[in-house]
Amino acid sequence: GNSVTQMEGPVTLSEEAFLTINCTYTATGYPSLFWYVQYPGEGLQLLLKATKADDKGSNKGFEATYRKETTSFHLEKGSVQVSDSAVYFCALPDYGGATNKLIFGTGTLLAVQP
Amino acid sequence: GAGVSQTPSNKVTEKGKYVELRCDPISGHTALYWYRQSLGQGPEFLIYFQGTGAADDSGLPNDRFFAVRPEGSVSTLKIQRTERGDSAVYLCASSLVGGANGYTFGSGTRLTVV
Repeated sequence: GNSVTQMEGPVTLSEEAFLTINCTYTATGYPSLFWYVQYPGEGLQLLLKATKADDKGSNKGFEATYRKETTSFHLEKGSVQVSDSAVYFCALPDYGGATNKLIFGTGTLLAVQP
Repeated sequence: GAGVSQTPSNKVTEKGKYVELRCDPISGHTALYWYRQSLGQGPEFLIYFQGTGAADDSGLPNDRFFAVRPEGSVSTLKIQRTERGDSAVYLCASSLVGGANGYTFGSGTRLTVV
């Protein structure tokens, strides 16, 4: 089945710093790719997605580009804020059957300090 | 409803007891998923419903775990003879069709087995 690997955290940055969280995947075909975010005490929220190669997903100042050459979907933000402190999960569907269940990475904790 | 609702938000139970966790998906969403998230890990797939039937229960860890969705809407995850290792956050998600375009998650039920 498909799989995803993301960089381990925690990632600690100062406010307004540049953020990159790496995510690479192994997949059959070209599935959609997702970033989910989990703020403290809350459930997972879809942050952004890309549905095909070279697509760029974006939301709330975050971006990620679907790169099939490097099988990557790295999350970036040019200037982080304290409110971005959360756990970020990279995910993709597992097409091993009719389920289309999502496979998640282990998560990367981002802590932004003022 | 406006979002995926899970009850209770927290459940503490004694080892060996039976628990039920409830999920009320977004109205009209035919696909419903249960995931389990242990501390410091990404969500792990448990079971997927399409309508009333369990289309994929390959993630259920053993026969102590069971889930139902009798009318194709609300789902209940049932755990018999709970063990301390069952302690985790149980997440429910729903979508219009299979998860290829991402899900909407509930806030989860934090289960603690003492």
